[in-house]
Amino acid sequence: EVQLVESGGGLVQPGRSLRLSCTASGFTFGDYAMSWVRQAPGKGLEWVGFIRSKAYGGTTEYAASVKGRFTISRDDSKSIAYLQMNSLKTEDTAVYYCSRGDCSGGSCYFTFDYWGQGTLVTVSS
Amino acid sequence: DVVMTQSPLSLPVTLGQPASISCRSSQSLVYSDGNTYLSWFQQRPGQSPRRLIYKVSNRDSGVPDRFSGSGSGTDFTLKISRVEAEDVGVYYCMQGTHWPTFGQGTKVEIK
Repeated sequence: EVQLVESGGGLVQPGRSLRLSCTASGFTFGDYAMSWVRQAPGKGLEWVGFIRSKAYGGTTEYAASVKGRFTISRDDSKSIAYLQMNSLKTEDTAVYYCSRGDCSGGSCYFTFDYWGQGTLVTVSS
Repeated sequence: DVVMTQSPLSLPVTLGQPASISCRSSQSLVYSDGNTYLSWFQQRPGQSPRRLIYKVSNRDSGVPDRFSGSGSGTDFTLKISRVEAEDVGVYYCMQGTHWPTFGQGTKVEIK
């Protein structure tokens, strides 16, 4: 059974940093891309960024709203994806979800077929 | 960014009656491989999103066949043939052809 479990959320002051983890099980983690998606309280879904599988370069892409402040990385030996969030702003307050993407046939795709339960990040002084 | 516009944003439905949600994209969602990466997600109250439909019309495993997706190019629809109480929640369309973007969400509630 595919499972994604996010952790690391909490209350943080503006300008500070936080690192989220997404621990995967039930599939060969290294074969897949991983995305982060967030949802501000009472709002819709916003894609944050993703990391390709190592076979597809392990490179990352980010939404404009977080580019330069957030960094996604992965540890395939532990089946964990990370979201390092720096210079946090109040508007980064949200539930952060990780979700799986497919890498095959020369490209990586945003399939979002499995999601974690999310972890809440609150940025406030 | 590709803008995804859903309508209606609120959909009160009588149990057993059909429901339909429209999703329009600001650009064509046909990818270079010929596929159209348009998905639909359901988010029940207090839960994570769950994918229902992928590539316009393909139902995910375990999704009841009362859910169906259709459309092409820039115009897409999610239909529920007979709404049940467990269908209450917010429904999002999402395009994955370009950098992913989601619709605003449509809240389905029982009248």
